[in-house]
Amino acid sequence: AQSVTQLDSQVPVFEEAPVELRCNYSSSVSVYLFWYVQYPNQGLQLLLKYLSGSTLVESINGFEAEFNKSQTSFHLRKPSVHISDTAEYFCAVTPDNQGGKLIFGQGTELSVKP
Amino acid sequence: EAQVTQNPRYLITVTGKKLTVTCSQNMNHEYMSWYRQDPGLGLRQIYYSMNVEVTDKGDVPEGYKVSRKEKRNFPLILESPSPNQTSLYFCASSLKPGGLLKAFFGQGTRLTVV
Repeated sequence: AQSVTQLDSQVPVFEEAPVELRCNYSSSVSVYLFWYVQYPNQGLQLLLKYLSGSTLVESINGFEAEFNKSQTSFHLRKPSVHISDTAEYFCAVTPDNQGGKLIFGQGTELSVKP
Repeated sequence: EAQVTQNPRYLITVTGKKLTVTCSQNMNHEYMSWYRQDPGLGLRQIYYSMNVEVTDKGDVPEGYKVSRKEKRNFPLILESPSPNQTSLYFCASSLKPGGLLKAFFGQGTRLTVV
């Protein structure tokens, strides 16, 4: 069975500061990894994903995540956050031998303060 | 515009009164699924469908039913709702299973069972 653990339920940070949202997963098979973002009162949107190739993946709004197979981690980082980044962030995995199931972490609430 | 539409967005109902939450996608996606989101638990998959007339249980299927009579629609049915089904529900679709391509999420249905 697979599981995803997001180590911080809430991360408060000041505007323009760097941030890291931590994600670890457990799986006996290969997985694909995702970060989703949920802005207040909205559905989830895909932020970035790792399928194969370079272990560092980037999104269009300045976030990046690095797949570390030895540490089974996929931490999300941004060097300088904006107020508009305030949202809940979900790490998720899909086992490569199953039919499409996304397994989510518990979520991390990022709160950016001025 | 590509989208997943859920209705209703908000619903308050009483224990035992059957209800249906509709989900429709306009992207000709094969794969659709339902999740519930609860604080501290992230999103958990209820049911999924690989294609028309093909459905299967997710992690938390008890108390729910689904049907996939046509490709675009994937309703979630609560035959006899109970207070522990009070939650935020999301429908999602993707072109193929596996989450390899972008999964689209609806805006959510906030259900309260009293």
